Amino acid sequence: DSGVTQTPKHLITATGQRVTLRCSPRSGDLSVYWYQQSLDQGLQFLIQYYNGEERAKGNILERFSAQQFPDLHSELNLSSLELGDSALYFCASSAKGVGYEQYFGPGTRLTVT
Amino acid sequence: AQKVTQAQTEISVVEKEDVTLDCVYETRDTTYYLFWYKQPPSGELVFLIRRNSFDEQNEISGRYSWNFQKSTSSFNFTITASQVVDSAVYFCGGQGGKLIFGQGTELSVKP
Repeated sequence: DSGVTQTPKHLITATGQRVTLRCSPRSGDLSVYWYQQSLDQGLQFLIQYYNGEERAKGNILERFSAQQFPDLHSELNLSSLELGDSALYFCASSAKGVGYEQYFGPGTRLTVT
Repeated sequence: AQKVTQAQTEISVVEKEDVTLDCVYETRDTTYYLFWYKQPPSGELVFLIRRNSFDEQNEISGRYSWNFQKSTSSFNFTITASQVVDSAVYFCGGQGGKLIFGQGTELSVKP
């Protein structure tokens, strides 16, 4: 158990809908990261927050957004969902930023039908 | 731009064989960090090791060992006397700013 929690575990929704994925980092970790894992794209970095502020952006679509709240939990919002958004979404946390190992949550499996 | 290459897509070995997973990290950064993660069939990503670009000492942890050679940008991972429980997808990652991963190597250890 990494100490990072993600909810829900599974999510099935229809195209065009909007969903919110939630992540609670390990106790004391300030950085939260979001990743998308799909068969064709592999494991892709989406976005990082550090202590409430956006720190780095990766291959995140404009339809996706995230935030980190004062209690350090984070949410990833996915809107106007398409079939291709079906993937495993991981949240990870680390003590600080670059160079610190990231601990991953169990992931949220999103299926868009 | 940075790039992580894991040349081996799949490896299959018989239990007790040694196996090496290759990883090459290309970057213009002089300071960077390298990682290995394991993703067993259950799906979670498990942190195995972190190494910074200034430390070329090999590291050993039980049956696992890692060899970093800055001159060739390689950070290879060896499992000695492999076991069925080692069956997983292994990801190598490189971080200058963002952490990026290779495509993964699926290791299958047969009894």
